Amino acid sequence: EADIYQTPRYLVIGTGKKITLECSQTMGHDKMYWYQQDPGMELHLIHYSYGVNSTEKGDLSSESTVSRIRTEHFPLTLESARPSHTSQYLCASSRSGTGNTIYFGEGSWLTVV
Amino acid sequence: SQQGEEDPQALSIQEGENATMNCSYKTSINNLQWYRQNSGRGLVHLILIRSNEREKHSGRLRVTLDTSKKSSSLLITASRAADTASYFCATANFGNEKLTFGTGTRLTIIP
Repeated sequence: EADIYQTPRYLVIGTGKKITLECSQTMGHDKMYWYQQDPGMELHLIHYSYGVNSTEKGDLSSESTVSRIRTEHFPLTLESARPSHTSQYLCASSRSGTGNTIYFGEGSWLTVV
Repeated sequence: SQQGEEDPQALSIQEGENATMNCSYKTSINNLQWYRQNSGRGLVHLILIRSNEREKHSGRLRVTLDTSKKSSSLLITASRAADTASYFCATANFGNEKLTFGTGTRLTIIP
C-alpha cells in the first residue's frame, strides 16, 4: 500500500480562483511527480522534483507551479484557474535512480466552472 | 510523443478468459513496468521486467519482453470482473530517471 496522499480528492471552483493541490508522502522518497490525466486518456508529466529545492517542468506545458521545500511535501498551485484546467491531477513519488517503481496517490479531480 | 504504445486500446472479454495486452516502445530501455488504474483512481504498480529478462510471472500475471522487437506483452490469466481497469506500460530509459507511460489499454471483463 502506497503512503502518498492527495487532498482534496474532488474540487469544483470558479474561474479565476487560486487553488493548491496538496501532496504528501511518508516513504522518504527523493523524487516526486505531478501528472495530468483527462478521463480515459494517457498520463502527461507536468512537473517533477529530484529533491528539496529542485523542481523541473515536465513533458507537457502547464500553467501550474510547484514547490519542494520539504522532502515529503510537493504542492501544486494554479494562480488563476480556467475551465481548460479541468482534469485529474496525479501525484507520485519514487526512490532516486533509474527506473524505480513509482507510487501514485489517488488523484485530485479538479473542475473549473 | 509517448514512448509506449499499447495495443489494443480497448479489450472486452468474458470472465475466465485470458487477456493479452501489448506495448511497443521506441528506444533502448533499462526496464519496463506495467501499471493498473481503476476508474477514477491512481495507478498501481503490477510488475517490472528488466531489459536482460525475457519473461516474468506474478500470480495470474505473465509479462514478456522482446528487446529486439522493442515490445512487451502482459497476459492476465483466468480473468475476473475485478480485473476491469486500464493497464499502462511504462519504460525507463538509460540516462533518464523519468518513466514514460504509454497510452493504456482499457480492459473490461464481462461477468
